[in-house]
Amino acid sequence: DAKTTQPNSMESNEEEPVHLPCNHSTISGTDYIHWYRQLPSQGPEYVIHGLTSNVNNRMASLAIAEDRKSSTLILHRATLRDAAVYYCILSTWNRDDKIIFGKGTRLHILP
Amino acid sequence: NAGVTQTPKFQVLKTGQSMTLQCAQDMNHEYMSWYRQDPGMGLRLIHYSVGAGITDQGEVPNGYNVSRSTTEDFPLRLLSAAPSQTSVYFCASTSSGSQRTFGSGTRLTVV
Repeated sequence: DAKTTQPNSMESNEEEPVHLPCNHSTISGTDYIHWYRQLPSQGPEYVIHGLTSNVNNRMASLAIAEDRKSSTLILHRATLRDAAVYYCILSTWNRDDKIIFGKGTRLHILP
Repeated sequence: NAGVTQTPKFQVLKTGQSMTLQCAQDMNHEYMSWYRQDPGMGLRLIHYSVGAGITDQGEVPNGYNVSRSTTEDFPLRLLSAAPSQTSVYFCASTSSGSQRTFGSGTRLTVV
């Protein structure tokens, strides 16, 4: 399975945008890029996913590099509730049976 | 509410005891998986299933058994509990084209 690399932790001020980077230089053509987050004492929750084009939903935006070797999760206006561990994961489109989590990025939001 | 239900939420076992962690989903998802999360760590895949009657090993399968007799249920069995199996266990389900949904977790302590 292709691996991803994320910073261990990041800090951001409340109500400011946050850009969480992810490197995946060995990504294959059929790999989707998924982002999940895990709030304290909860199970992970889905945030967003994409293949080649940038994606937007109510929670966040996903910007994918043209060569697909990196991506960035964008939280447009961080709140204290966004403090969590964010995981960037690759999964092939037709085998969504197992995904491997790395250690993710712990995002701290400063009031 | 539809989703993934895990029971029990908390469990304390003595070394050598066996038990089954239950996981049920009502979304008709074909894919289900079990993860464990040790303190301060990311999730590690134990076992997964691509449909009823089909299971396979993940990253850390030793000491655990699974079966998938129905689409809805995917129990995880600890055959002879060891202190190293103290962890939080998450069950997840998904299907092609839909986001992965996690349960709220089972916190297991082996003494």
